[in-house]
Amino acid sequence: ETGVTQSPTHLIKTRGQQVTLRCSSQSGHNTVSWYQQALGQGPQFIFQYYREEENGRGNFPPRFSGLQFPNYSSELNVNALELDDSALYLCASSPGNYNEQFFGPGTRLTVL
Amino acid sequence: GQQLNQSPQSMFIQEGEDVSMNCTSSSIFNTWLWYKQDPGEGPVLLIALYKAGELTSNGRLTAQFGITRKDSFLNISASIPSDVGIYFCAGRFQGAQKLVFGQGTRLTINP
Repeated sequence: ETGVTQSPTHLIKTRGQQVTLRCSSQSGHNTVSWYQQALGQGPQFIFQYYREEENGRGNFPPRFSGLQFPNYSSELNVNALELDDSALYLCASSPGNYNEQFFGPGTRLTVL
Repeated sequence: GQQLNQSPQSMFIQEGEDVSMNCTSSSIFNTWLWYKQDPGEGPVLLIALYKAGELTSNGRLTAQFGITRKDSFLNISASIPSDVGIYFCAGRFQGAQKLVFGQGTRLTINP
């Protein structure tokens, strides 16, 4: 059974650019949640996708957007990057929208 | 916003010692989860708790869902070097999608 995978592993962007991060959910999981983890902090919930629909959103501005595809993989898009967007972005999948969440290795985004 | 207070922030122990850490909240949670995160990795689920008073073990790890539903505890017995890492508690409100995480407890073990 393949776990949650994320790509790319690392990414460097400049302020104002746009970025797309990708996540493949664990086999059998139909729900994907995205989290932002700043250095030395716990993960902060960005949003969740369940059956291709956004199913809850944290306190993040609209320039953070996402998609979920029919195979339950997901993308996180961030527009107009700011320096404070530098963080580890974690994707977590679960077999339902209220079950335990299993995390991928993350994408380390650096904004210069 | 909702916050979980996790303590201690860091621990320095000798190999073989037992470890205790806890998480408290001003709000009631429906689910408590404990994760471990190694450098450069994503959090790995250790234990999930669903009922007040529940005590669950996973090998040398034991976690409890507090009776008030506002706290949880994690104990590690006979620590070994691979226990080094950052331990996070996370709570879920009833009907909510998101997990709310604590700030983490960094565990360091002296051989």
